[in-house]
Amino acid sequence: AQSVSQHNHHVILSEAASLELGCNYSYGGTVNLFWYVQYPGQHLQLLLKYFSGDPLVKGIKGFEAEFIKSKFSFNLRKPSVQWSDTAEYFCAVKVNAGKSTFGDGTTLTVKP
Amino acid sequence: SQTIHQWPATLVQPVGSPLSLECTVEGTSNPNLYWYRQAAGRGLQLLFYSVGIGQISSEVPQNLSASRPQDRQFILSSKKLLLSDSGFYLCAWAQGGETQYFGPGTRLLVL
Repeated sequence: AQSVSQHNHHVILSEAASLELGCNYSYGGTVNLFWYVQYPGQHLQLLLKYFSGDPLVKGIKGFEAEFIKSKFSFNLRKPSVQWSDTAEYFCAVKVNAGKSTFGDGTTLTVKP
Repeated sequence: SQTIHQWPATLVQPVGSPLSLECTVEGTSNPNLYWYRQAAGRGLQLLFYSVGIGQISSEVPQNLSASRPQDRQFILSSKKLLLSDSGFYLCAWAQGGETQYFGPGTRLLVL
């Protein structure tokens, strides 16, 4: 069965700092990859996704992620974080039509 | 547009009592439906998913069950709650097994 590993459980940054959240998955076949975000008090929602094509995908609010097949990674990046980016971030992998596997999540705290 | 509802928002139940959490989706047909439990620091654990009416796949052995009596209705149940069933339960839907859209969740506390 596939698994997803998010290495950073809690990240604390100051505003304007750069962000990179790690996500690695274990599965040898074709995957669809997602990053979801949960802002305080809000629903979990899609940040960005990769299905095929350009391995560098751009999402909402200036986030991007790069799929590196050889490293089984899909790291999330943002060049300059804002206080409003404080949230919990989840990486997810889908390998069939039915279900996705989620990582344990990374809590990002941005200090103003 | 599509919307997803969950109720109740919060529930406090005694150990040994039954449970029924409901999830309904509007604005789409034949969605894939999912029940997750979200625990602090442990991410999202998939409990059940359904690709159609009456079709339920269970991901982990547990004290819970799921049913899909209608196309856009997904119910999470238990006959006798355990303390360990406490948690935050999320329902989600997807079309074609792609992006999942999550409901507001139900916080369950078993005492």
